[in-house]
Amino acid sequence: KNEVEQSPQNLTAQEGEFITINCSYSVGISALHWLQQHPGGGIVSLFMLSSGKKKHGRLIATINIQEKHSSLHITASHPRDSAVYICAVKETSGSRLTFGEGTQLTVNP
Amino acid sequence: NAGVMQNPRHLVRRRGQEARLRCSPMKGHSHVYWYRQLPEEGLKFMVYLQKENIIDESGMPKERFSAEFPKEGPSILRIQQVVRGDSAAYFCASSPRAGGSEQYFGPGTRLTVT
Repeated sequence: KNEVEQSPQNLTAQEGEFITINCSYSVGISALHWLQQHPGGGIVSLFMLSSGKKKHGRLIATINIQEKHSSLHITASHPRDSAVYICAVKETSGSRLTFGEGTQLTVNP
Repeated sequence: NAGVMQNPRHLVRRRGQEARLRCSPMKGHSHVYWYRQLPEEGLKFMVYLQKENIIDESGMPKERFSAEFPKEGPSILRIQQVVRGDSAAYFCASSPRAGGSEQYFGPGTRLTVT
């Protein structure tokens, strides 16, 4: 079992839909990252969370430390949101990030 | 403030050649992480360096791979005698402080071994 599990693996939505991507982890963490990766492209850091909730434009990220769970929400989705979304955790001990397998999101017009 | 720079962005090497990947961290950052993304797989940690020191190399393959972060200049990930299985995207991230909670990613280097 991976230390970081994401669901779903693949997600197809229609433009305008509300999207949720989930991340569960099994280790103690000091921070959780949500990253975005476009095909053939680099990695963009969307959020870094250690508690609560953050919002940036149409993106919202939440984390529940007790339940070891985080969600990334996209409101009013758009085709340009199509990308792979990756959850990564920084364990309490050590400095490395441990990554989920990613969620491939496709938003159709 | 320029972001994390990596070069080259694309690198093609024949089997047996050496590959050198460079990473210039953000200004003021003295901590560098290297990650590898094999085709159709997730990102995996390789090595964590501070200036002139390797802090954690537990993710590095035992042979052919080495990394350095000299006092001056970029961090270098070196792969000797490349094989087809080394074909991957290699990302570096930099951080302003120890602990690694805050990491900023570079655009990656895509290595293709023919």
